[in-house]
Amino acid sequence: GNSVTQMEGPVTLSEEAFLTINCTYTATGYPSLFWYVQYPGEGLQLLLKATKADDKGSNKGFEATYRKETTSFHLEKGSVQVSDSAVYFCALSDSSYKLIFGSGTRLLVRP
Amino acid sequence: GAVVSQHPSWVICKSGTSVKIECRSLDFQATTMFWYRQFPKQSLMLMATSNEGSKATYEQGVEKDKFLINHASLTLSTLTVTSAHPEDSSFYICSARAISGGAGETQYFGPGTRLLVL
Repeated sequence: GNSVTQMEGPVTLSEEAFLTINCTYTATGYPSLFWYVQYPGEGLQLLLKATKADDKGSNKGFEATYRKETTSFHLEKGSVQVSDSAVYFCALSDSSYKLIFGSGTRLLVRP
Repeated sequence: GAVVSQHPSWVICKSGTSVKIECRSLDFQATTMFWYRQFPKQSLMLMATSNEGSKATYEQGVEKDKFLINHASLTLSTLTVTSAHPEDSSFYICSARAISGGAGETQYFGPGTRLLVL
């Protein structure tokens, strides 16, 4: 079945450091890929998405590229801020429209 | 745009009582709404898929008689936790998919409802 694997957290970085959160997926067909972010005490917010191979999703300085050859959708940001501290979820959506989430990666950015 | 609300945001109830949680799409029509459950520091687990005007489809292992879902209109779905017990305490989150969406259409999430059963 379809699945999403994320790197274990927590990830702790200093402000202005480079961020990478790895995400790989297993799916039949051509899923859409998403990154959602959950700030403390809040619900999930869509951060970015990509619907086909080689698409790059971007938002708020975050980027992720849909790599079909490596079945990956790694999240990157060149310079993190304290306000980026949150839990990040990678997810895929197949033809059934259901979202399958990874386990989440907690990011802590220190001043 | 694309706002989904949930009500209540948190609820405390006694064991054995039933609790209803509402999920509304405020500025778009949603053919499909999803209900998730999230345990502390864990990922979201899909409980059921709710389509307007039809019965919900439950994921394996989710008791449909325990978690009653009604999708009465294109903007409202409700989850009722019947005869709640302490193990039902969790964070319940709904999401909605827009009526015009294809397979890649975004799901918009509500802020979640925290349920504590004493």
